[in-house]
Order: sequence, then structure tokens, then C-alpha cells
Amino acid sequence: QVQLVQSGAEVKKPGASVRLSCKASGYTFTSHSMHWVRQAPGQRLEWMGWINTRNGNTKYSQKFQGRVSITSDTSATTAYMDLSSLRSEDTAVYYCVRSRLLLAYYFDLWGRGTLVTVSS
Amino acid sequence: EIVMTQSPATLSVSPGESVTLSCRASQSVSSNLAWYQQKPGQAPRLLIYDASTRATGIPARFSGSGSGTEFILTITSLQSEDFGVYYCQQFRDWPAFGQGTKLEIK
Repeated sequence: QVQLVQSGAEVKKPGASVRLSCKASGYTFTSHSMHWVRQAPGQRLEWMGWINTRNGNTKYSQKFQGRVSITSDTSATTAYMDLSSLRSEDTAVYYCVRSRLLLAYYFDLWGRGTLVTVSS
Repeated sequence: EIVMTQSPATLSVSPGESVTLSCRASQSVSSNLAWYQQKPGQAPRLLIYDASTRATGIPARFSGSGSGTEFILTITSLQSEDFGVYYCQQFRDWPAFGQGTKLEIK
């Protein structure tokens, strides 16, 4: 079954870091890049960055530059997203999403999302 | 940065009717546009890419059109499962989404 299975919900304090995981199955991991998109309550979807799963190259939204890191483990067919210096505005559902093609930037497979709550 | 603007914010429609949803880009994105549907508590689902190509498994009642800065998603013969929030997304530049149009049952 083609799917992305994300890690469970997280509760973090301001200033902390969080690592989210996304396990892919049912398809060739390196044939599609992996992106991370988040959705804060009542807000539009927001693209954070992506990783070329074939060569490991990454690119991040300017908004998150310096705070986000996306990595992948091809042997485990898993992608990771680290976000540091968390603040309350980072409270959101975080989705890992598969690009339809390796170098395409639209998304044909979505994980179910991981809720990250940042609160003191 | 390319900004995507959708209209209207909310649309109330009866099953069986047809609707058009609009999406405007702040600068040309050529045909690098996708549409998604999101239902409450679920992840978005890809409907249309390259402005007019239906994704795998998407019914023919969904169609997309437009290029440059103006795009339309048309849904004919609305069914109960079609209600939700629809987002457009450009991928001419780094991905950016519109704010969504909520399609409600009248």
C-alpha cells in the first residue's frame, strides 16, 4: 500500500526543537522527492522545504531558513524534519508530502499529519 | 514571492449544481498550478495539476483551466462528497498555496 506514515503528536515548550519522521512505503523512495507542508489553525497551507531523495539536496523556504533541516534515510525509506527555536506560532499540523515526480513541486501523496503544539 | 488569492472565500451550493472556483496569481505561473481538496480532519488530496490534468482517480466532473495568472476549477453535478475546502497551489516558484475556498452544502 502506497502511504506515508508520520510520527505522533508532540507538545513542546518555546525555544525547544522537534524532530518529525515520515515513513514511506509501497513505492520507490528515490523516485519522488519529499516535502514538508504545515497548516496552522485557520491558516493556509505553508510550504517549508524539500529534499531530493536521490541525492540528498535540500531547499528551504526563506521563512524557515536557519531553523529547519530536512534529511532522509533511503535504507529506511524515511524522511525527517527538524525545527528548532520553536515559538507559539509554530503550533500547526505538519504534513510530509510526496512530489508526483522527483523534480515536481506538486504533491500526490500526503501523510496524515503530525500535530505540534508549542506552549509554555 | 508569488501570492495566490482565491475567490470566493465561501460558496454555498446544492447537490447536483455546478460551481466555479477562482484562483489568481500575483505574477504569471504559466501552467504550473495544482488544485487540492481537503475535508475536515483529513490531509489534502491532489485533484488537478499542470492547470488542467486530472490526477489519478479523480472523476471527470472536476476540470481545471487557465494559465498565466487566472485559473478556474469547475465541478459539475456536485455530489455530497465534494464539499470541503479547495486550495490552489503554484509551483512556478517555490510552492505557495491560496487561502482556500470553502464549498458548503446549501
